[in-house]
Amino acid sequence: DAEITQSPRHKITETGRQVTLACHQTWNHNNMFWYRQDLGHGLRLIHYSYGVHDTNKGEVSDGYSVSRSNTEDLPLTLESAASSQTSVYFCASSGRAGATFYNEQFFGPGTRLTVL
Amino acid sequence: SQQGEEDPQALSIQEGENATMNCSYKTSINNLQWYRQNSGRGLVHLILIRSNEREKHSGRLRVTLDTSKKSSSLLITASRAADTASYFCATDHGYSTLTFGKGTMLLVSP
Repeated sequence: DAEITQSPRHKITETGRQVTLACHQTWNHNNMFWYRQDLGHGLRLIHYSYGVHDTNKGEVSDGYSVSRSNTEDLPLTLESAASSQTSVYFCASSGRAGATFYNEQFFGPGTRLTVL
Repeated sequence: SQQGEEDPQALSIQEGENATMNCSYKTSINNLQWYRQNSGRGLVHLILIRSNEREKHSGRLRVTLDTSKKSSSLLITASRAADTASYFCATDHGYSTLTFGKGTMLLVSP
């Protein structure tokens, strides 16, 4: 079955370190998204991509970057981790495969990141 | 921000009762979606209602949309303990991205 996976599921790092969170989907979806979820803020969009080599900034993109070299993967990089980036990160994808509606999003299980 | 707002923030009911949660948004939409999130998991799509629709049903779920008031409601009938989760509305403003609200935490007690 098609799915969307994230790794690692839990990560503890130190302030100033570079961190990369992986997202891999086998839906063959063109669209991929990264969100962060914090108490009191709900889900906020960090970056998104509509296809290979396409990336766009979301609402809270400062301190984060993404690159899309193939359809399946959209890694999220924190260039220099800060304590304010402690959060739960979700990757999602959307497209025609598996969906009833074109922009129904399928979510990964999340990565809990702690920056000390 | 175009972010939707769910109301109430938390809701506690008994099994068998109906649960109603509301969502308000600020700018015009193409469609509105509801998602469920079980503790420690990713979100799961429940139902979508287009801007030209007023009501939609799916199993025990009923969604209404009032574009004049920029609001939507999600009704879960005959709630079960397994319905315990957080529920989010998400609005599509025409850019292929979704704007999520802060969610309603629903607790259904046996």
